[in-house]
Amino acid sequence: DARVTQTPRDKVTEMGQEVTMRCQPILGHNTVFWYRQTMMQGLELLAYFRNRAPLDDSGMPKDRFSAEMPDATLATLKIQPSEPRDSAVYFCASGPSRGETQYFGPGTRLLVL
Amino acid sequence: DAKTTQPPSMDCAEGRAANLPCNHSTISGNEYVYWYRQIHSQGPQYIIHGLKNNETNEMASLIITEDRKSSTLILPHATLRDTAVYYCIVRVDGGNTDKLIFGTGTRLQVFP
Repeated sequence: DARVTQTPRDKVTEMGQEVTMRCQPILGHNTVFWYRQTMMQGLELLAYFRNRAPLDDSGMPKDRFSAEMPDATLATLKIQPSEPRDSAVYFCASGPSRGETQYFGPGTRLLVL
Repeated sequence: DAKTTQPPSMDCAEGRAANLPCNHSTISGNEYVYWYRQIHSQGPQYIIHGLKNNETNEMASLIITEDRKSSTLILPHATLRDTAVYYCIVRVDGGNTDKLIFGTGTRLQVFP
């Protein structure tokens, strides 16, 4: 049963530290998405890639956030420096090319103190 | 902004049908209606989607009105495990964007 995997599942860090979240999309999926979920804002799209190229990162704070796909099996989301307002659950999702279905990972729960 | 309107919460007795409404009065001709759900502490899960015909799969049925301004997701025999937040989303298929814009959804509580 193919699934999107995310690591770490939980992360507690102090303000100012760098945070790296990783995602392994489903094999064969060439579209990858990063979402952030908070109680106040709900689910927000941060960025997405197709064939490893960024298509849209307009939802991502550019000064501290960066998203990359070093290869087809790995997507990363980095926050440097982290701030308490970055505390949220970060979801990665993948989908087939222009596919209608996105498959979500279990999320990374981030707490910045 | 989300282009859909859903009631914030609904209750349903276990074993009964759960009918979740969604309004999308500004939907365009090439926009599909998608439903996802999010069980507590998990990532969202795809349920079903449709354009203008009614659709059914192993999870649910989707009824879209003829004018396409609203739709209803039907869980025919709700179980306690169907307790979740259900999101109705309109999305263009085949375009250059795969964005899903999540609204606030409907929190469905299935009770014994």
